[in-house]
Amino acid sequence: GAGVSQSPSNKVTEKGKDVELRCDPISGHTALYWYRQSLGQGLEFLIYFQGNSAPDKSGLPSDRFSAERTGGSVSTLTIQRTQQEDSAVYLCASSFRGQPQHFGDGTRLSIL
Amino acid sequence: KQEVTQIPAALSVPEGENLVLNCSFTDSAIYNLQWFRQDPGKGLTSLLLIQSSQREQTSGRLNASLDKSSGRSTLYIAASQPGDSATYLCAVSKNRPGSARQLTFGSGTQLTVLP
Repeated sequence: GAGVSQSPSNKVTEKGKDVELRCDPISGHTALYWYRQSLGQGLEFLIYFQGNSAPDKSGLPSDRFSAERTGGSVSTLTIQRTQQEDSAVYLCASSFRGQPQHFGDGTRLSIL
Repeated sequence: KQEVTQIPAALSVPEGENLVLNCSFTDSAIYNLQWFRQDPGKGLTSLLLIQSSQREQTSGRLNASLDKSSGRSTLYIAASQPGDSATYLCAVSKNRPGSARQLTFGSGTQLTVLP
């Protein structure tokens, strides 16, 4: 399809393991965002990529979280040494030139 | 720090009723405001986007208004249908130099339309 694609849709892992979440934005969208949706905190901004500019990492909750965007397209969000409080739905969105952000269905991450 | 509040947290109405969802924000220096719909287990679907210079936007049975100076927006749904049942989220983006437009979200209103 032509929408934002995220994988995996569900991920269950043990505390302390590293996880990688993937986002394929809509083709041609220059802006890419990661958000986290959890029961206690609602929807929170994590990180933003725009073209080849340095990413805005102001929303990352700790240095265990990192993200990259290769070739201005696909992005991966990496969480190292996962903790139980990292359990949440991680949503990716993309947009073009100030137009509405289009969201993927998210990755539901559960830390045991 | 921008804070977005949505009232009510949950709403249940019979089919056919008109209804209003409310959103307020603390910092009026916004670039735009969006209303989203989220179905269980799904991502967000953008319903309406209002630029800071606009007062309202309409799409079908939906009408969103924006009063930037008072920090308020409403989403009006006419002739509600069971298929409108979902969580409705309000989000604002900050008016800042550059193009970073990350959204600050409210906690949502869970709407149930009873057949």
